[in-house]
Amino acid sequence: EAGVAQSPRYKIIEKRQSVAFWCNPISGHATLYWYQQILGQGPKLLIQFQNNGVVDDSQLPKDRFSAERLKGVDSTLKIQPAKLEDSAVYLCASSLRGGGNEKLFFGSGTQLSVL
Amino acid sequence: SQQGEEDPQALSIQEGENATMNCSYKTSINNLQWYRQNSGRGLVHLILIRSNEREKHSGRLRVTLDTSKKSSSLLITASRAADTASYFCKAGSQGNLIFGKGTKLSVKP
Repeated sequence: EAGVAQSPRYKIIEKRQSVAFWCNPISGHATLYWYQQILGQGPKLLIQFQNNGVVDDSQLPKDRFSAERLKGVDSTLKIQPAKLEDSAVYLCASSLRGGGNEKLFFGSGTQLSVL
Repeated sequence: SQQGEEDPQALSIQEGENATMNCSYKTSINNLQWYRQNSGRGLVHLILIRSNEREKHSGRLRVTLDTSKKSSSLLITASRAADTASYFCKAGSQGNLIFGKGTKLSVKP
């Protein structure tokens, strides 16, 4: 079974630039999550999709972050414009149905450095 | 918060020793999940223990759950250098997608 795919693996940009991350979840998984993990901390949920609808985006800084999940499969997370404090690893995860009781499957993440 | 919080924050042991890390949570749960994160990688699910179970084994991993104390422990026996990673717990309950800061385990050869 193929895992969660993410790209790019690394990205370096200057502040005020824009950046986009891509995620392809495990086939058949209805729920997709984007997490932000700052160095030394645990992952922080940014947004949760159920199929192509948003379930929870309460922690997403909507003035600069946006996300979409086209046709309920792939997802992209965009930051525009980036700030220094956005430097982090962005993790995508998926689960079969969602809800908090299931185990999550994570991709390898995109490490973002904002200079 | 239903967040799982791990303790200690960091743990350093020699290869061959056992490593124990703990997790506390605040509300009722359906299960308790443990994940491992190697440096520069995503989290990998290790083991899930249901709320009606007290102990579960998987290879060198032993997990216990005490729902009366709202706590869980993860024991890694006969540790190896490859066990060096951060370990996170997550309380499995409806709507909870929160992780703690993790325990950073360092196993020295």
